[in-house]
Amino acid sequence: EAQVTQNPRYLITVTGKKLTVTCSQNMNHEYMSWYRQDPGLGLRQIYYSMNVEVTDKGDVPEGYKVSRKEKRNFPLILESPSPNQTSLYFCASRQRYQETQYFGPGTRLLVL
Amino acid sequence: QKEVEQDPGPLSVPEGAIVSLNCTYSNSAFQYFMWYRQYSRKGPELLMYTYSSGNKEDGRFTAQVDKSSKYISLFIRDSQPSDSATYLCASSQGGSEKLVFGKGTKLTVNP
Repeated sequence: EAQVTQNPRYLITVTGKKLTVTCSQNMNHEYMSWYRQDPGLGLRQIYYSMNVEVTDKGDVPEGYKVSRKEKRNFPLILESPSPNQTSLYFCASRQRYQETQYFGPGTRLLVL
Repeated sequence: QKEVEQDPGPLSVPEGAIVSLNCTYSNSAFQYFMWYRQYSRKGPELLMYTYSSGNKEDGRFTAQVDKSSKYISLFIRDSQPSDSATYLCASSQGGSEKLVFGKGTKLTVNP
């Protein structure tokens, strides 16, 4: 089944404790993105990647890191999480020249 | 001003009603316009996609883009309770991965 998977789905952590949210897609898509979704603010793009080793900032990249060493994986790294990073995070992927973007199921993060 | 503006609602309609959802955008370079549907506790899924101006119809759904007024619309005919979800409009420039979303409109269709 074609899908985007994220892990973990739920995470409670404390300020300053480094964490990684993994994202993997099995559709051989070139493009991958990370978004955060907050009430009243909607979906905002954090980082995106157009291919392996090619990444760029979205609208809200501060406090986040990404890497794209393999085509299928695009982990989101929070080196020193803060409470304002409490949010619902989505990973997404799409094929080049296609507009259909496939979203993962979301990761709900709470930073205390 | 946010690049894509969308009234968050909520919007509540009776079953069978025609629903009109709207967005405005400010970036004249936007060429691709999309509507996503997001059910509670799920990721967004692409519903409709339009390139440049014009209409696109898919079953009960019609997407409309008016580039002269920078207006994006989604019409749902014969709305069903299963249409209850949050609808997000999104836009992007050609060749760019940067996708800008509206805040989403929560729709409830009452049986």
